[in-house]
Amino acid sequence: GAVVSQHPSWVICKSGTSVKIECRSLDFQATTMFWYRQFPKQSLMLMATSNEGSKATYEQGVEKDKFLINHASLTLSTLTVTSAHPEDSSFYICSARDYGKGTGELFFGEGSRLTVL
Amino acid sequence: GESVGLHLPTLSVQEGDNSIINCAYSNSASDYFIWYKQESGKGPQFIIDIRSNMDKRQGQRVTVLLNKTVKHLSLQIAATQPGDSAVYFCAENSYTDKLIFGTGTRLQVFP
Repeated sequence: GAVVSQHPSWVICKSGTSVKIECRSLDFQATTMFWYRQFPKQSLMLMATSNEGSKATYEQGVEKDKFLINHASLTLSTLTVTSAHPEDSSFYICSARDYGKGTGELFFGEGSRLTVL
Repeated sequence: GESVGLHLPTLSVQEGDNSIINCAYSNSASDYFIWYKQESGKGPQFIIDIRSNMDKRQGQRVTVLLNKTVKHLSLQIAATQPGDSAVYFCAENSYTDKLIFGTGTRLQVFP
C-alpha cells in the first residue's frame, strides 16, 4: 500500500539552529501534504497544509516565518523549524492524500521527534 | 471553532473484554469520520472510518457507531488484546479537507 516516509525520525539540536524535516510519498504523488505537531500526551494539531507549487496554508497561530514549508515536488514536502528553541521540541507528523485510486485516503508518516537543547 | 473531543482520557480493560471509546464532535456539517490508533513514538494508524450517511460500520474486531443527532462517535473493540494498548483518536474530516483530531483516549489492557 501507499507509504509516507519522514526523515529524520529523531533529531537533537542546539537552541538557535534550524532543522529540516522531510516528508515523502513513496509510491504515489501528493499535491497536498499536511504537517501536524504533537506535544506529549496531547493530540495532533494541524500546523499547515503544504501545496505543491504554491505557498503553504498555515493554521491560525502558526508562525509561517518560523515553520518554513516547501513542497518542491509531487513526492516531497519539507518543514524547516528556524531558530529552534526548547519550546519547539515536539513530535512532528506529516500526512499525504493518495487521490490516485480515487479515494483520497490519507496516509501518515511515522513522525519526527525534535528535541531542542 | 471546530472541535472534536473525547469524554475519557484513559480506559483500562481486561484482556478479552470489549472496549468502548467515545468521541463528541461539534461540527454538524462534518460528513466523514475516522478512528486512528497511535502507539508510542509512531504516527497514527488508520483503524476504521464512517461516512455520515451511515450509523454503523464494522471491521475486523472493531465497530464504529455514529449518532448524528447528538454528534457522538464511538469505537468498539471486541475481545481486547494487549496489542490494542495505544492512544486512540477520532478525527473529523472538515469541508476544507483538513483532518481535525480529538483529544485522544489511552487504552490500557491488563491481563
